[in-house]
Amino acid sequence: KQEVTQIPAALSVPEGENLVLNCSFTDSAIYNLQWFRQDPGKGLTSLLLIQSSQREQTSGRLNASLDKSSGRSTLYIAASQPGDSATYLCAVSQGGSEKLVFGKGMKLTVNP
Amino acid sequence: GAVVSQHPSWVICKSGTSVKIECRSLDFQATTMFWYRQFPKQSLMLMATSNEGSKATYEQGVEKDKFLINHASLTLSTLTVTSAHPEDSSFYICSGLSLAGGFYNEQFFGPGTRLTVL
Repeated sequence: KQEVTQIPAALSVPEGENLVLNCSFTDSAIYNLQWFRQDPGKGLTSLLLIQSSQREQTSGRLNASLDKSSGRSTLYIAASQPGDSATYLCAVSQGGSEKLVFGKGMKLTVNP
Repeated sequence: GAVVSQHPSWVICKSGTSVKIECRSLDFQATTMFWYRQFPKQSLMLMATSNEGSKATYEQGVEKDKFLINHASLTLSTLTVTSAHPEDSSFYICSGLSLAGGFYNEQFFGPGTRLTVL
């Protein structure tokens, strides 16, 4: 059974820092991996999707990498801003299924 | 990205009543939609997979007679919580699966529906 872990559960940093968010998964036979952002009481916003054949994806200040063999992904946020404060969720889909298995998320607070 | 809407965004109902939540893909066709629930400070848990024109597939532990899912068209899926009880109070989120264009096999999520059962 696939399990997705995000550590730490929460992080508080001053504005301007470069951040690395970690995600690990137990079964390396994934189809893709997605990073999402969730603001309080809101739905999910897709940030980046990495197919299993890819190593990384970039969008603006965000960069996500995938090491499928070791079961790890990192989300890199450059020059963090208070507006980046949210919960970040990592999710993987298995080969042959579109179902997503989510981690518990990491609550990020960027202080001005 | 593709857009998914949900209606209503929040609902309060009395115990024993039924509540219907709509999930619409606005600018793409979603042959598959997913329904999740999220308890406070918890992650999303998949409840069921909804395929257009066929019966939904429920995850283990989810009562199909309590959570009725209908996926009548390529852009609309509905979740009906029947005979709701306070323990059904939660945040319900749907997603649509896009198999087209640059969004192959990517799920797009709705804004969620907050259900409170008194």
